[in-house]
Amino acid sequence: DAGVIQSPRHEVTEMGQEVTLRCKPISGHDYLFWYRQTMMRGLELLIYFNNNVPIDDSGMPEDRFSAKMPNASFSTLKIQPSEPRDSAVYFCASSLLPPPNEQFFGPGTRLTVL
Amino acid sequence: GENVEQHPSTLSVQEGDSAVIKCTYSDSASNYFPWYKQELGKRPQLIIDIRSNVGEKKDQRIAVTLNKTAKHFSLHITETQPEDSAVYFCAASFSGGGADGLTFGKGTHLIIQP
Repeated sequence: DAGVIQSPRHEVTEMGQEVTLRCKPISGHDYLFWYRQTMMRGLELLIYFNNNVPIDDSGMPEDRFSAKMPNASFSTLKIQPSEPRDSAVYFCASSLLPPPNEQFFGPGTRLTVL
Repeated sequence: GENVEQHPSTLSVQEGDSAVIKCTYSDSASNYFPWYKQELGKRPQLIIDIRSNVGEKKDQRIAVTLNKTAKHFSLHITETQPEDSAVYFCAASFSGGGADGLTFGKGTHLIIQP
């Protein structure tokens, strides 16, 4: 298995533009998590899904952020409109077992909003 | 919600010496405490975890201890090697109530001096 796959690995965009981050969890993992990592705030949970259904989105910063999981092998995190303070590394993670159990992280997407 | 404090933020030790990183958590309901290692530019990877029904767990040169009464847990690395240099994150989690994601500490940058 290739592990959790994220794309793109790097994204540079201008303020106000829409950004879409993509994630493919490990096959068979029913739990998918989106995290954001910044120097100031560390690793923060944004949202997590179980069987494609959002379970906890209390970490989503504001309405500009939205996440979907249309099927078991694909999830997106969208920011519209993007702002410079959204610059961060966004990680997707998946888990085979229900929380709390080991989560496997993807390589991350480094987002820079100018 | 859960709050995890991690100390120190930076730790420098001589190769071969031991390193100890400490974390405290606020929610007594938390029952799962993983430690992740993140090398520069890489994804976080689980190195060891402990559940609240266990006081100590070892895996070769790595050990984690948990004190539920005091709500703190620690990572111990013995006989440190250059490849141990990385940022280490502690986390806490509990199942149920919809808040099943991991709450991370801010990280400790471990530097192994040759």
